[in-house]
Amino acid sequence: EDKVVQSPLSLVVHEGDTVTLNCSYEVTNFRSLLWYKQEKKAPTFLFMLTSSGIEKKSGRLSSILDKKELSSILNITATQTGDSAIYLCASVGAGGTSYGKLTFGQGTILTVHP
Amino acid sequence: NAGVMQNPRHLVRRRGQEARLRCSPMKGHSHVYWYRQLPEEGLKFMVYLQKENIIDESGMPKERFSAEFPKEGPSILRIQQVVRGDSAAYFCASSPAKTGSRLYGYTFGSGTRLTVV
Repeated sequence: EDKVVQSPLSLVVHEGDTVTLNCSYEVTNFRSLLWYKQEKKAPTFLFMLTSSGIEKKSGRLSSILDKKELSSILNITATQTGDSAIYLCASVGAGGTSYGKLTFGQGTILTVHP
Repeated sequence: NAGVMQNPRHLVRRRGQEARLRCSPMKGHSHVYWYRQLPEEGLKFMVYLQKENIIDESGMPKERFSAEFPKEGPSILRIQQVVRGDSAAYFCASSPAKTGSRLYGYTFGSGTRLTVV
């Protein structure tokens, strides 16, 4: 069975701090890893990572995949209170009916204090 | 584009009643997925449907739960004879059919919070 584990489970920081969120996976026929941000509503897409070692950036957020270590990190620099949310990591396998089915980690609850 | 629409947003049921959760996919999306989120847990896959077809129901409990996506109308997740353990947030997602764009287009609805009292 596919498995995704995130760490830490929760994190409390002050505005301006930099945080690193971790995600490790065990997936049959791994295809991609996705990061989502979930506030009190629908998870919203942040990044999709398919190739190892290529950093993806969006403003203060960046993410990279390490296929050798079966892991990914999500970095947030100069955190703001609006970054407070649950950050979800999900993997997807390739082929058959698994394509399109996401396996999620438990999530990291990030709290940013002013 | 209205996005993925789920209703109701909140649903309260007494033990033993039936719960019906609805999901209308984004315009142009023909694939629908249901996930369940228990308190302090990540989302767990339940079922993957295309129009009139269940593709993968490996995450569905064997009893009391069923899902459909008819030719016309929304996808329905039905829970019969609800128990307190069914209390959770149920999220629906939809995606385009085309393989190359399926993951980029994967969009979640805002969820239905089911409370069983």
